[in-house]
Amino acid sequence: DAKTTQPPSMDCAEGRAANLPCNHSTISGNEYVYWYRQIHSQGPQYIIHGLKNNETNEMASLIITEDRKSSTLILPHATLRDTAVYYCTYMDSNYQLIWGAGTKLIIKP
Amino acid sequence: GAGVSQSPRYKVAKRGQDVALRCDPISGHVSLFWYQQALGQGPEFLTYFQNEAQLDKSGLPSDRFFAERPEGSVSTLKIQRTQQEDSAVYLCASSPSDLYEQYFGPGTRLTVT
Repeated sequence: DAKTTQPPSMDCAEGRAANLPCNHSTISGNEYVYWYRQIHSQGPQYIIHGLKNNETNEMASLIITEDRKSSTLILPHATLRDTAVYYCTYMDSNYQLIWGAGTKLIIKP
Repeated sequence: GAGVSQSPRYKVAKRGQDVALRCDPISGHVSLFWYQQALGQGPEFLTYFQNEAQLDKSGLPSDRFFAERPEGSVSTLKIQRTQQEDSAVYLCASSPSDLYEQYFGPGTRLTVT
């Protein structure tokens, strides 16, 4: 069953960079990687997406390996408000987002 | 601007009852998606609309689940004869088109007793 694989939980100190890894070994060559995060009792919030080049926006950076089988989301200066579950997903050829169980990121003061 | 809204936010149904969950997408968004999210899991795709056309309903778990978007804007997910295993958060997302990022609503938490 095609899914993404992420560590179930991670801690990060406030102000430090949070690096969240993801394996998506079943991804095909033209399928984009998307990252979302979900704060308790809210819907997922879009963070960033990419195909094969590294991407950066005001929220985060996305590093995708050359073989596209894994990626890393980087939050450069984590704050307490970044505590959430982070999901790595990819969009398959049917426009379905394929999700895993996500990483619960806890930012500690 | 207004985001995706869903109603009700919480719904408790007795087993066997029918429920209807509403989604108001962002105005002008062509694509609309429904997902089911079990506790502690990522969302699971249910169905997808492009305007009023339901292009993919492969994720609907049974024929008790039915979705519609008759005028290409508001969508309703209907579950007939609810079962306990239907208890979950139902998320709606909209997108300007298929390959753009999806914007999610807050979800409807359905509890079947």
